[in-house]
Amino acid sequence: EAGVTQFPSHSVIEKGQTVTLRCDPISGHDNLYWYRRVMGKEIKFLLHFVKESKQDESGMPNNRFLAERTGGTYSTLKVQPAELEDSGVYFCASSQDLASGAYEQYFGPGTRLTVT
Amino acid sequence: AQSVTQPDIHITVSEGASLELRCNYSYGATPYLFWYVQSPGQGLQLLLKYFSGDTLVQGIKGFEAEFKRSQSSFNLRKPSVHWSDAAEYFCAVCPYSSASKIIFGSGTRLSIRP
Repeated sequence: EAGVTQFPSHSVIEKGQTVTLRCDPISGHDNLYWYRRVMGKEIKFLLHFVKESKQDESGMPNNRFLAERTGGTYSTLKVQPAELEDSGVYFCASSQDLASGAYEQYFGPGTRLTVT
Repeated sequence: AQSVTQPDIHITVSEGASLELRCNYSYGATPYLFWYVQSPGQGLQLLLKYFSGDTLVQGIKGFEAEFKRSQSSFNLRKPSVHWSDAAEYFCAVCPYSSASKIIFGSGTRLSIRP
């Protein structure tokens, strides 16, 4: 079974540019999560999709961040315009249906974003 | 405030020595508890989890963790570390009230002395 995949693995952009990160969850996982780790800080939750719906987006830092999950499969996280403080590692995770009690989240390798 | 505390930022132990990484959480009820590991260049891998039942949990790679309700702790242990255990370790909780998001500690970086 393929794990969670993320693309690109590393992105370097200039301040003010736009970047789109992609996450492909494990097949059949309804839940998809985005987290990020800013340098030197802890990993923080950004948002949670259940299928194509946003269940919780309380961690999104501001309106420069836009997440989508069209069709309930892969997800994209767009940062527009990027700022220096957006640099960090963005992780995606997925899990099965929470109603079944399966709370385990499987993480992808992360996308390292560097804004210069 | 709700939080997960890993008091040790960086630990160095000799290969073959025992290891204990500390983790404390502050939540009203017992949350789901996890330890994740991130090796250099890799993603986050789940080492073990505690949902309920036996408070001593066995994980992968020879790791175990003990949940102590009275101390709000979930310390990670390994009796004998290997050089390949060098990585960053994250304690994490998933509160009952919010089964969606995971709250992470700040991580402990483990170095192994040959």
